[in-house]
Amino acid sequence: AQSVAQPEDQVNVAEGNPLTVKCTYSVSGNPYLFWYVQYPNRGLQFLLKYITGDNLVKGSYGFEAEFNKSQTSFHLKKPSALVSDSALYFCAVGGAGGYNKLIFGAGTRLAVHP
Amino acid sequence: DAGITQSPRHKVTETGTPVTLRCHQTENHRYMYWYRQDPGHGLRLIHYSYGVKDTDKGEVSDGYSVSRSKTEDFLLTLESATSSQTSVYFCAISGMDKREGSRAEQFFGPGTRLTVL
Repeated sequence: AQSVAQPEDQVNVAEGNPLTVKCTYSVSGNPYLFWYVQYPNRGLQFLLKYITGDNLVKGSYGFEAEFNKSQTSFHLKKPSALVSDSALYFCAVGGAGGYNKLIFGAGTRLAVHP
Repeated sequence: DAGITQSPRHKVTETGTPVTLRCHQTENHRYMYWYRQDPGHGLRLIHYSYGVKDTDKGEVSDGYSVSRSKTEDFLLTLESATSSQTSVYFCAISGMDKREGSRAEQFFGPGTRLTVL
């Protein structure tokens, strides 16, 4: 069965510092992985995805993520955090189920302090 | 929100009453999905559709039914609402990526907050 774990409920970082939001997954076959962000009272916004190819994926708003097959991880990163990055972040995985039947992690709240 | 609207945006209802939520898209995408969002659970798939009149169950489908009679509309019905169905409901759509087939990213609507008293 597919599963996603986001081990941190909340991540706190100072503005200007690098940030990492962690995600590990379990899926049979080749995974495809997504990161979404949710701002208060809004729907989810797509940030980036990994399907195949380069393990380092670049996405919207300066975010990037690194796919590590041996560690079954897909951590979200940004070199320099902004206060406006404060939001709820979700990792999702799809695989053999087809039709984009994604499994989402529980979410990680990112708080960037001035 | 990628040409997706949901109605109503907020609804309060009583236990045992039927409720229908509507998702409308203007993107002509093939796939449509209904999720619910609850604290500590992220988003969980209720039902999805892969074409007009073609639907299938997700991981939390009990107590819900769906219909898709037109490409642009996907309805979610709670036949007899229960307090455990109090949640925020999101509709999502995705198309066919020419390079990646059905593994295209999903785009989400603004959500419907449903409270069952």
